[in-house]
Amino acid sequence: QKEVEQNSGPLSVPEGAIASLNCTYSDRGSQSFFWYRQYSGKSPELIMSIYSNGDKEDGRFTAQLNKASQYVSLLIRDSQPSDSATYLCAVNFSGGNNRLAFGKGNQVVVIP
Amino acid sequence: DTGVSQNPRHKITKRGQNVTFRCDPISEHNRLYWYRQTLGQGPEFLTYFQNEAQLEKSRLLSDRFSAERPKGSFSTLEIQRTEQGDSAMYLCASSTSDRELFFGEGSRLTVL
Repeated sequence: QKEVEQNSGPLSVPEGAIASLNCTYSDRGSQSFFWYRQYSGKSPELIMSIYSNGDKEDGRFTAQLNKASQYVSLLIRDSQPSDSATYLCAVNFSGGNNRLAFGKGNQVVVIP
Repeated sequence: DTGVSQNPRHKITKRGQNVTFRCDPISEHNRLYWYRQTLGQGPEFLTYFQNEAQLEKSRLLSDRFSAERPKGSFSTLEIQRTEQGDSAMYLCASSTSDRELFFGEGSRLTVL
């Protein structure tokens, strides 16, 4: 079992719609969860962090965490063409050293 | 610019040659990480430093790879006797705590 799984294929959404991305993780002791955005050829850029169960909203982004289900998600409201990118889920494993394990990412394409 | 700086940004080398990448973290960050990313995959952890001490190395880091962080400031990642499978983006990240990592722009290696 991979440490962090993002299984959905490329996601195409119309401009203005909601994009929904999901991620599951294997380490039940994980405490910190992150979503990074990565444009093609660029490095990952942090867009959301979440540490407690529930929802966390920041602008058009909402992260949702359910530790019991080992599940974290990201919603992008009012999607814009500039949101077209790969979104990486990252989890800080409980083994220490703040090592982040990343999923392989989900590509989002916002169609004008 | 106060972000994480990496150089060179691009390196093309022939198989069997040695290459070295440099990372300058955000100045107050005592934690420094190296990751490797190939096309279509998320970043894979390679190694972690806290100050000058290398505290964790991935099994991915073969004996051809060596990383240093003298004096706890900048870090270097050297790959000896490069192989075509080493072609990837090498990402450096830094942080101050068990929270977010901030990535540099990466060093793209192409081994011919």
